[in-house]
Amino acid sequence: DGGITQSPKYLFRKEGQNVTLSCEQNLNHDAMYWYRQDPGQGLRLIYYSQIVNDFQKGDIAEGYSVSREKKESFPLTVTSAQKNPTAFYLCASSIGSGGWSYNEQFFGPGTRLTVL
Amino acid sequence: ELKVEQNPLFLSMQEGKNYTIYCNYSTTSDRLYWYRQDPGKSLESLFVLLSNGAVKQEGRLMASLDTKARLSTLHITAAVHDLSATYFCAVDMGSNDMRFGAGTRLTVKP
Repeated sequence: DGGITQSPKYLFRKEGQNVTLSCEQNLNHDAMYWYRQDPGQGLRLIYYSQIVNDFQKGDIAEGYSVSREKKESFPLTVTSAQKNPTAFYLCASSIGSGGWSYNEQFFGPGTRLTVL
Repeated sequence: ELKVEQNPLFLSMQEGKNYTIYCNYSTTSDRLYWYRQDPGKSLESLFVLLSNGAVKQEGRLMASLDTKARLSTLHITAAVHDLSATYFCAVDMGSNDMRFGAGTRLTVKP
């Protein structure tokens, strides 16, 4: 089955700790994204990557870091510099912008992060 | 700066009734997507609208796009309880830049 997986489903972090959220896809998509969703709100883009070894900041990148060493994987690290990290984090992927006429994104199941 | 505005943000309707959710956006785009999110769950793709005048239908939901008016609508026909969810529109700005509306939380009551 092709799809996007995220782990863990729930994550608890103590203040001052860095934590890493996993995102893996087997859809052979070039582009991957991380979004943050706060209760009752829409999605805000944290980082995105169009290709391996390249990524771009989104609207709310401060306090987060990413890597894209493999096409299938796009992990997100929430650093201690992120002052209010409690949220629902969604990873998505799309075919990519290289000549494609649209950019439908497919989402993983999400990780709910809580700071204790 | 691009703005994507959905209205209403909250919608409570009775089963069997019809209603429309609106998505307005502030800049040029001819690609728009609708997603559904159930409580505590991820986003599920509903419709992909790729040109002016595009209309897509699936069951009791129908989506349309008017790029000249910068408006998309999601019409619900004869609502049923299973349609209760939050619905998001997303505007494709190109270069992997997608902007989401705040979502419309729909509750369908018996």
